[in-house]
Amino acid sequence: NAGVTQTPKFRVLKTGQSMTLLCAQDMNHEYMYWYRQDPGMGLRLIHYSVGEGTTAKGEVPDGYNVSRLKKQNFLLGLESAAPSQTSVYFCASSGGIFSNQPQHFGDGTRLSIL
Amino acid sequence: AQKITQTQPGMFVQEKEAVTLDCTYDTSDPSYGLFWYKQPSSGEMIFLIYQGSYDQQNATEGRYSLNFQKARKSANLVISASQLGDSAMYFCAMREGISNFGNEKLTFGTGTRLTIIP
Repeated sequence: NAGVTQTPKFRVLKTGQSMTLLCAQDMNHEYMYWYRQDPGMGLRLIHYSVGEGTTAKGEVPDGYNVSRLKKQNFLLGLESAAPSQTSVYFCASSGGIFSNQPQHFGDGTRLSIL
Repeated sequence: AQKITQTQPGMFVQEKEAVTLDCTYDTSDPSYGLFWYKQPSSGEMIFLIYQGSYDQQNATEGRYSLNFQKARKSANLVISASQLGDSAMYFCAMREGISNFGNEKLTFGTGTRLTIIP
């Protein structure tokens, strides 16, 4: 049972480079999320999606774009990477039916921008 | 104002003792849910326990229980009989507007790093 899978697990970029982080879930969840985790700051929501073809901004959306072309996939893009985007990125998904349903997280992507 | 406050950056507890991790929250929404997640050193986020604002009883899941004090807006996690494997980062999170379908965003606290001493 894969759950939520993030690709890649590690990446080093140079300032100004672009990349896409891929999140895939096999639980048929409607909702998907991208968070970033920085030391001492917990997890902060970047963007989220409430269904295929929809996206919305979270708490810290600047410098990122997302797409949800298929229900099972949620992509996070960095068009021009900056050192401030060095972080651990987590994708999560949830079913959206019952209020007590937790979000299920991937294992994270550690991204360093030099 | 912080929506979720975890005031203990780090805690050290002797193995087999009980431990309480503090979480206070701020919301004007009467309908909300509180979640606790564990993040071991390997990095994954593991869901532990949930408490809804309308739940009459405090939530329990095995060795985990929630000391929910609604009037004080606190939802402290209690781990009984701590084990070495409990050493991890613990995050409290809140979902507001749980009666509104589609509102599932979580707001996280900054976490508490728990270390269990043998």
